[in-house]
Amino acid sequence: KQEVTQIPAALSVPEGENLVLNCSFTDSAIYNLQWFRQDPGKGLTSLLLIQSSQREQTSGRLNASLDKSSGRSTLYIAASQPGDSATYLCAAPDSGGGADGLTFGKGTHLIIQP
Amino acid sequence: EAQVTQNPRYLITVTGKKLTVTCSQNMNHEYMSWYRQDPGLGLRQIYYSMNVEVTDKGDVPEGYKVSRKEKRNFPLILESPSPNQTSLYFCASSPRTGGLGYYMNTEAFFGQGTRLTVV
Repeated sequence: KQEVTQIPAALSVPEGENLVLNCSFTDSAIYNLQWFRQDPGKGLTSLLLIQSSQREQTSGRLNASLDKSSGRSTLYIAASQPGDSATYLCAAPDSGGGADGLTFGKGTHLIIQP
Repeated sequence: EAQVTQNPRYLITVTGKKLTVTCSQNMNHEYMSWYRQDPGLGLRQIYYSMNVEVTDKGDVPEGYKVSRKEKRNFPLILESPSPNQTSLYFCASSPRTGGLGYYMNTEAFFGQGTRLTVV
């Protein structure tokens, strides 16, 4: 069964810094991997979906990379802003095609200090 | 607007009183699922459905029921809620794509969550 680990569990940085969130997964036979953002008490917002054929995916100040061979993905946030403060979750399919759903990491709780 | 809609958003109920949390998606997705989120445990899948009339258990199905009579709706039923089912619940949907011999889920879309308290 897929296991997903996120490091660090929490991160607090000053506004303007670039930062990297890490995600590792145990079963590399995945078709895609997804990053989400969750604000306190709110739902999950999809940030980026990386297909297994891709190495990177970009959306604005966010860049996600995927290395299936090493079982790792990173989320890079450029020029961080206080509005980026949230919990970031990485999710990989349980099975190769995701029929059994997603396995989530416990998340990285990010605080951007003004 | 493409979305997954859950109702209610907040619910406080008593032990043993049957309840239903509704979930509806307007994106014509084949795959729908329910998750619960608990502190320290993260998100765990309860049930999923790959299409109409096809449902299967996830990791934590005990105490829950689901049905998929229509493609757009996937209600979560708690026949006899207990305090250990107090949690934040999320419904999700995904389109499926594939070819000969395989299908896979693509991007997952989540509802806004239902915070359930069972006293």
